[in-house]
Amino acid sequence: QKEVEQNSGPLSVPEGAIASLNCTYSDRGSQSFFWYRQYSGKSPELIMFIYSNGDKEDGRFTAQLNKASQYVSLLIRDSQPSDSATYLCASLGGSYIPTFGRGTSLIVHP
Amino acid sequence: KAGVTQTPRYLIKTRGQQVTLSCSPISGHRSVSWYQQTPGQGLQFLFEYFSETQRNKGNFPGRFSGRQFSNSRSEMNVSTLELGDSALYLCASSFADNEKLFFGSGTQLSVL
Repeated sequence: QKEVEQNSGPLSVPEGAIASLNCTYSDRGSQSFFWYRQYSGKSPELIMFIYSNGDKEDGRFTAQLNKASQYVSLLIRDSQPSDSATYLCASLGGSYIPTFGRGTSLIVHP
Repeated sequence: KAGVTQTPRYLIKTRGQQVTLSCSPISGHRSVSWYQQTPGQGLQFLFEYFSETQRNKGNFPGRFSGRQFSNSRSEMNVSTLELGDSALYLCASSFADNEKLFFGSGTQLSVL
């Protein structure tokens, strides 16, 4: 069974710090990886996607992918209280059925 | 550009009833997929429709069904509701292949 594993947290970081969120996936056929942010009571919102090994940066967000280790991470630099949310990692393989992790709760405290 | 519209926002039903949820995708998106989100199981894929055809289906019983119309709007139906069907049901649209999903605000279903 295809799985995406994430630490449920909560991950607590001080404002201005770097938050590091990680996930691992089981399906070696996965080709695309996504990070969604979900605020409490709201629906998920796509914030980053990555297809190739290495780093991809977009503003304060950096997604990292290591296919050999089946590992995806999201770094949030200069964390703000408004970044407090649950972050969902998702993988997509050849079947085009997305598999989501259960999410990591991030708390950024002033 | 209007986002994904889901209706209704909340539903309360009793066991044994059936329910129909509606989803209008972003204009130009032909793929609509449905998800169930619960605290215990997280976000789970129900099915995906593309050009009025079900293209993929997750591991849910046949009580869960859906369809897509020629204007890409989609409906999801759950028959013979069970207590365990209480969840947030999310629909998402994408341009193709479930890449870069845009979610609607969801329908919170409570089965009593």
